[in-house]
Amino acid sequence: SHELTQPPAVSVSPGQTARITCSGNELSKQHGYWYQQKSGQAPVLVIYKDNERPSGIPERFSGSSSGTTVTLTISGVQAEDEADYYCQSGDSSVTYWVFGGGTKLTVL
Amino acid sequence: QITLKESGPTLVKPTQTLTLTCTFSGFSLSTGGVGVAWIRQPPGKALEWLALVLGNDAKRYSPSLDSRLTITKDTSKNQVVLTMTNVDPVDTATYYCARVFGIVGISFWFDPWGQGTLVTVSA
Repeated sequence: SHELTQPPAVSVSPGQTARITCSGNELSKQHGYWYQQKSGQAPVLVIYKDNERPSGIPERFSGSSSGTTVTLTISGVQAEDEADYYCQSGDSSVTYWVFGGGTKLTVL
Repeated sequence: QITLKESGPTLVKPTQTLTLTCTFSGFSLSTGGVGVAWIRQPPGKALEWLALVLGNDAKRYSPSLDSRLTITKDTSKNQVVLTMTNVDPVDTATYYCARVFGIVGISFWFDPWGQGTLVTVSA
């Protein structure tokens, strides 16, 4: 089965760089996607197709892919970036989709 | 502007069938590269993809819930309906619908999302 693994928590100080990883075997064949979910709100897409940024998402959000791991990088973290972040991908047959367990980003 | 909104019961008894409706605007469910997905999130837990339907009426279900889910679309009403049979307290969650966008046979993602609706399963 297709599973995605994320670290439960990441902490950074304002202005620093946060990196959140997501690992899964299918990521070597499928794109990775990232969603930001602030407390009490619906998720918002912040990165698609590994490294594309939707319109309206700040430039400090970027994504990369290497082998079976995709990484979300937030440069110059701001207090407003504190949220849960979820990665998502499909299986290689494009028949079902999964989310990672989520990473809670804390801005110290 | 694309919007989606979920509607349905807030409380369901165990063993009953849950029916949720997603009403959307700003896009059409008539092309294969566009669709609507249902995703849920139990309180304090992670997101879980449930099902999706594309504009060409292709349907996909979570393997773990396949036997309990049915997704249908009504293009004329801009609605997508999800039914879940034999609900259990573990199905208590916020249920979201989201637009599916992507390339048929290659990759799909979910954007934007509705506000979600909390469904509690309890006797």
